[in-house]
Amino acid sequence: DAGVIQSPRHEVTEMGQEVTLRCKPISGHDYLFWYRQTMMRGLELLIYFNNNVPIDDSGMPEDRFSAKMPNASFSTLKIQPSEPRDSAVYFCASSPSLAGDTGELFFGEGSRLTVL
Amino acid sequence: AQSVAQPEDQVNVAEGNPLTVKCTYSVSGNPYLFWYVQYPNRGLQFLLKYITGDNLVKGSYGFEAEFNKSQTSFHLKKPSALVSDSALYFCAVRDTGGNTPLVFGKGTRLSVIA
Repeated sequence: DAGVIQSPRHEVTEMGQEVTLRCKPISGHDYLFWYRQTMMRGLELLIYFNNNVPIDDSGMPEDRFSAKMPNASFSTLKIQPSEPRDSAVYFCASSPSLAGDTGELFFGEGSRLTVL
Repeated sequence: AQSVAQPEDQVNVAEGNPLTVKCTYSVSGNPYLFWYVQYPNRGLQFLLKYITGDNLVKGSYGFEAEFNKSQTSFHLKKPSALVSDSALYFCAVRDTGGNTPLVFGKGTRLSVIA
């Protein structure tokens, strides 16, 4: 398996523009997670899905952020409008379950977003 | 609620010396504990986990971690550090009683100096 695939790897945009980040999880994994990593706040869980259904979006910073999972093999994280403080590395991760003995996460390589 | 503390932002060690990266946790029940490593411009990679059984867990790249229930700690160790071990290390925890995502610490940057 190719692992978790994220695109784009790098995105530079101007304040106010819409940003869409994409993720393809590992086939057969029922859980998909979106994380944001910054120097100040570390690794933050934004939202996670189980079988394409959002389970907990309490980590989404504000209404400018939205995430969808239209099918088992694709998810998007959208920021509209983007702001400079959204600059971060956004990671997608997938997992076969949340059970402890099999619940390890598999991370993508991340999407580095810079909002000017 | 679950939480993880990594008390050191940065750890420096000379190549060949033993290394320790500290982690303490808090859960309401029993913990599942994980260590991940992140190399520059890469995603996090799984290193090792404690689920049950032997308190000393061995993982990838010669790393090991010791679960200490009385001290609620899960420190990462390696007997002899390599320059290539320089990376960001994350500890994570999940309560065995709940069906919840992993909670990550803020990370510790390890620098191994030749």
